[in-house]
Amino acid sequence: TQLLEQSPQFLSIQEGENLTVYCNSSSVFSSLQWYRQEPGEGPVLLVTVVTGGEVKKLKRLTFQFGDARKDSSLHITAAQPGDTGLYLCAVQDDKIIFGKGTRLHILP
Amino acid sequence: SQTIHQWPATLVQPVGSPLSLECTVEGTSNPNLYWYRQAAGRGLQLLFYSVGIGQISSEVPQNLSASRPQDRQFILSSKKLLLSDSGFYLCASRQRFSGNTIYFGEGSWLTVV
Repeated sequence: TQLLEQSPQFLSIQEGENLTVYCNSSSVFSSLQWYRQEPGEGPVLLVTVVTGGEVKKLKRLTFQFGDARKDSSLHITAAQPGDTGLYLCAVQDDKIIFGKGTRLHILP
Repeated sequence: SQTIHQWPATLVQPVGSPLSLECTVEGTSNPNLYWYRQAAGRGLQLLFYSVGIGQISSEVPQNLSASRPQDRQFILSSKKLLLSDSGFYLCASRQRFSGNTIYFGEGSWLTVV
């Protein structure tokens, strides 16, 4: 059973469109992180959300932590080809568990 | 901040051969260390983690093993590789008790042929 379920698995959209990807779980977490990864490289941290209902913005990216701290979403406004990549959510205790990711491809 | 050195960067190994991937950490002491494997375009699967010297926790049954002979050294090994061991392997480090920043190595591409 996967602790973190990410959806969709794959998403291909045109430049300029908006999109939302999700990270869901039946467990409650003290915090959750979002990463972006390019092929052949390690993941790069985008944001950490800690408080239920918290919303954080990073330029065109908006991250929200669910009120119950079981899920999170990432919304991208006016997607650009540079947003292409694998988006991973992750949670930590002694272990660091990643979701399987959403592979995003932005078409120019 | 920490720096993670991981090698080799790429290797092609025949089925049944042994494997040793090494990871060393600079800039911290007593970190938690992790080995992940990633299939093409997919998420990171946690293989092993360690909270101290000689302490290894295995997350998935497999023919791989891990060892932590020194505080800042983490080694991933296999006695006999399988085709299914191919993938991108990442070492990661996190300082306990001081935030949750995760540092990643450069990764190792393993192709078993």
